[in-house]
Amino acid sequence: QKEVEQNSGPLSVPEGAIASLNCTYSDRGSQSFFWYRQYSGKSPELIMSIYSNGDKEDGRFTAQLNKASQYVSLLIRDSQPSDSATYLCAVSLSGAGSYQLTFGKGTKLSVIP
Amino acid sequence: DTGVSQDPRHKITKRGQNVTFRCDPISEHNRLYWYRQTLGQGPEFLTYFQNEAQLEKSRLLSDRFSAERPKGSFSTLEIQRTEQGDSAMYLCASSLSDSPDTQYFGPGTRLTVL
Repeated sequence: QKEVEQNSGPLSVPEGAIASLNCTYSDRGSQSFFWYRQYSGKSPELIMSIYSNGDKEDGRFTAQLNKASQYVSLLIRDSQPSDSATYLCAVSLSGAGSYQLTFGKGTKLSVIP
Repeated sequence: DTGVSQDPRHKITKRGQNVTFRCDPISEHNRLYWYRQTLGQGPEFLTYFQNEAQLEKSRLLSDRFSAERPKGSFSTLEIQRTEQGDSAMYLCASSLSDSPDTQYFGPGTRLTVL
């Protein structure tokens, strides 16, 4: 059974600090990895995707992937109160006949002004 | 607005009634997905379409659930004989065929079964 694990939090960081969100996954066949941001009562919003080992940066966001350790992380630099949300990690087997995303339960981030 | 749209945004129904939700994907996205999300959980996959073909269904999709995408554009998800356990947010997502797992979600339909 495919599983994606995240710490539920809440993770509290002061404004301007780096927030570090972590995710592990169980299926070694997973090929694509995504981070979604979800504000309370809203739908998930795609913020990052990563497909190969290493780091991928986009503005204040950096996604890191280590397939050997089955580990994905998201760093948010210069955290702002508007970053306060639940962050969902999602993985896909990609190309193994299925493109469904398997999500973790999410980590709730709170950025304190 | 060129994003995924869903209708209705909220639905309250009594146990045993049938409900139908609609999803309009982003234009030119030929893949369409349905997920369900309950409080404190991540979205769970229900089913997906490539054009009009329903290619995969989750075991979560009981016989009371049916989904269609008759012309390969919008999709409907019907729940028959609703139960209180069906209360959830029903999310639709779409993607292009050249990046099928890069999925963009609509605003969701929140279902409450009384």
